[in-house]
Amino acid sequence: DAGVTQSPTHLIKTRGQHVTLRCSPISGHKSVSWYQQVLGQGPQFIFQYYEKEERGRGNFPDRFSARQFPNYSSELNVNALLLGDSALYLCASSLASSGGASQIYEQYFGPGTRLTVT
Amino acid sequence: EDQVTQSPEALRLQEGESSSLNCSYTVSGLRGLFWYRQDPGKGPEFLFTLYSAGEEKEKERLKATLTKKESFLHITAPKPEDSATYLCAVPSYNTDKLIFGTGTRLQVFP
Repeated sequence: DAGVTQSPTHLIKTRGQHVTLRCSPISGHKSVSWYQQVLGQGPQFIFQYYEKEERGRGNFPDRFSARQFPNYSSELNVNALLLGDSALYLCASSLASSGGASQIYEQYFGPGTRLTVT
Repeated sequence: EDQVTQSPEALRLQEGESSSLNCSYTVSGLRGLFWYRQDPGKGPEFLFTLYSAGEEKEKERLKATLTKKESFLHITAPKPEDSATYLCAVPSYNTDKLIFGTGTRLQVFP
């Protein structure tokens, strides 16, 4: 079975430009989360989507936005790129969203998109 | 505030030399703790979920344990292919947002 897929693998952009990253979850998974990981740090949560609705947002500026499509794939958009946006962007899929309930769902990560802003 | 701290930051082991990695956490209402393995430039690979204090899980040379304040990842007789960064994470209170530690970078030498 295919795991989480992300595209593109690598991307180089210039400050001020816009970027769109794409993610396809594991078949049957309906929730997608996005994380940013800078070198030497653990991943930082950006967004979670479940059934096309935003279920969580991390402490990132409004330049970051995302959406989820009817087939559960997702896009992460970043506007007005800054040098500090250079990072590995990770997509994780899970079966569903806990909605804060006691049950939690394991999150499986894709290979990531390496974004370099120059 | 929810927080995860991992130690040591880096660990160098001789092949066959067993050791443990530590993950301490502060979170309201722990619902579970995850361990991941991450190779350079790759996405984290899921290893274990631990749900309650006293629980243990094993996979090959790895065993994860959980107490009320911390988790340990024990590596028995490691091999060079176990070299990677090991991350632990907990879901934030009332959400699916994962709070990660900064990881332990493990290097195993032949």
